[in-house]
Amino acid sequence: QVQLQQSGPGLVTPSQTLSLTCAISGDTVSGNSVAWNWIRQSPSRGLEWLGRTYYRSKWYNDYAVSVKSRIMINPDTSKNQFSLQLNSVTPEDTAVYYCVREVGYSRGWVFDYWGQGTLVSVSS
Amino acid sequence: DIQMTQSPSSLSASVGDRVSITCRASQSINSYLNWFQQKPGKAPKLLIYAASSLQSGVPSRFSGSESGTDFTLTISSLQPEDFATYYCQQNYNTPRTFGQGTKVEIK
Repeated sequence: QVQLQQSGPGLVTPSQTLSLTCAISGDTVSGNSVAWNWIRQSPSRGLEWLGRTYYRSKWYNDYAVSVKSRIMINPDTSKNQFSLQLNSVTPEDTAVYYCVREVGYSRGWVFDYWGQGTLVSVSS
Repeated sequence: DIQMTQSPSSLSASVGDRVSITCRASQSINSYLNWFQQKPGKAPKLLIYAASSLQSGVPSRFSGSESGTDFTLTISSLQPEDFATYYCQQNYNTPRTFGQGTKVEIK
């Protein structure tokens, strides 16, 4: 059974960096047919995919254009976890953030395991 | 980016009703379409993948179908635990995109 445990602050000051970590149990961050994603949800933007990291003989990242200049998603193989850093946050970045496993199979990809969600408020 | 448009945005129904929710993709996505259910304060839960395949453990009253770029989630007989918000999501390419959601409420 895969479990994803999120950690990180729930309040970030505008212009600062939002940092969240997702600890993985029951799978490995460097697995071959999985990708590790961050998705956020807010009333104004709905469910918004932010980006992912995955390993296929080397590490790859994909990011949403809307945050590409401000985002980093990094794996940590020693701790079997991955992290999100979002720089220069504004109140529009206030949302519930989820870490999510995406698994590939013959007919596509699915987001099958989700973290518990972290409400991050951007406010001074 | 592929736009996913759901309709309706909300609906009211009674226990036992047959309910259908539609999702339209802005371009062809073949069958790379998933459906999720979300209850307040919880993460989305996968119901249907590849447009019509039932995720393990999901009741058989849930089904999915497709016609071109139109996809439908059907609940054959609505149960009390089915009152929730439903989302479609394409996995044809990145960025992954979701519909705006359909809230199913009790009539």
